[in-house]
Amino acid sequence: KAGVTQTPRYLIKTRGQQVTLSCSPISGHRSVSWYQQTPGQGLQFLFEYFSETQRNKGNFPGRFSGRQFSNSRSEMNVSTLELGDSALYLCASSPGDGWSEAFFGQGTRLTVV
Amino acid sequence: DAKTTQPTSMDCAEGRAANLPCNHSTISGNEYVYWYRQIHSQGPQYIIHGLKNNETNEMASLIITEDRKSSTLILPHATLRDTAVYYCIAKNNNAGNMLTFGGGTRLMVKP
Repeated sequence: KAGVTQTPRYLIKTRGQQVTLSCSPISGHRSVSWYQQTPGQGLQFLFEYFSETQRNKGNFPGRFSGRQFSNSRSEMNVSTLELGDSALYLCASSPGDGWSEAFFGQGTRLTVV
Repeated sequence: DAKTTQPTSMDCAEGRAANLPCNHSTISGNEYVYWYRQIHSQGPQYIIHGLKNNETNEMASLIITEDRKSSTLILPHATLRDTAVYYCIAKNNNAGNMLTFGGGTRLMVKP
C-alpha cells in the first residue's frame, strides 16, 4: 500500500510569490490535514479537509488556503510569501473518522528568500 | 483539546526500557491520549493511543493513571533507531483529525 506522497520535496521561492503544494493520501483515505513545522513554533495545524470540505482550521492568516479534490488529493496554497513562511509543510492522511491514526508524508521543505 | 506537558529531553541506554512521561491534568472524559514520534527530517509516526485502559502494541505500551491526569509511554527495549522526538497529544475523537502538538520529548538512545 503506497504511503502519503507530497510533492515537491523541496522548493525555493522569492518573497511575494505564491506557492502550491500537493498531497496524495493513502488510497481510500478521505481526510487530509496540513501542518507547518518551524524551529521556533514547532508543529502547527493548518487545516483539515474531509470529503472536499474544510472540517477544521488552525490559526493562520488567510494567505494560507487549501482544497481537496473528489479523489481526496489535496493542495495547499500560500500567497504573498513571507520569509517567515519558510518551513517544513507536512500532510497527514486518515480514513476519515476521528478514531484512526494519521499517516504523515515526508513533507515539503519550503524556503522563502 | 487539553494541554499536555512533557520533559524537554531524556536519555536512555540501548536495550533498556525508555519511560516517557506526559502530564494532561485537564484532560476531559472524551479525550484520548495519543503518542506520535518524529525521527529527524521525517514526518511524525503514530505509536499508540488509549482512553483509560493500558494499551500495548508491537511498538510500545501506554500506561494511563486511573485519574487520567498523566500517562507513560514505554518502549520496552530501546534501540538507537528509537532516537526521536516523542509527542503526547490529548485528542477529542469526535472533532475530526486535528492534532495539537506540543514541544515533545527529545529521546536520545545511547549505546
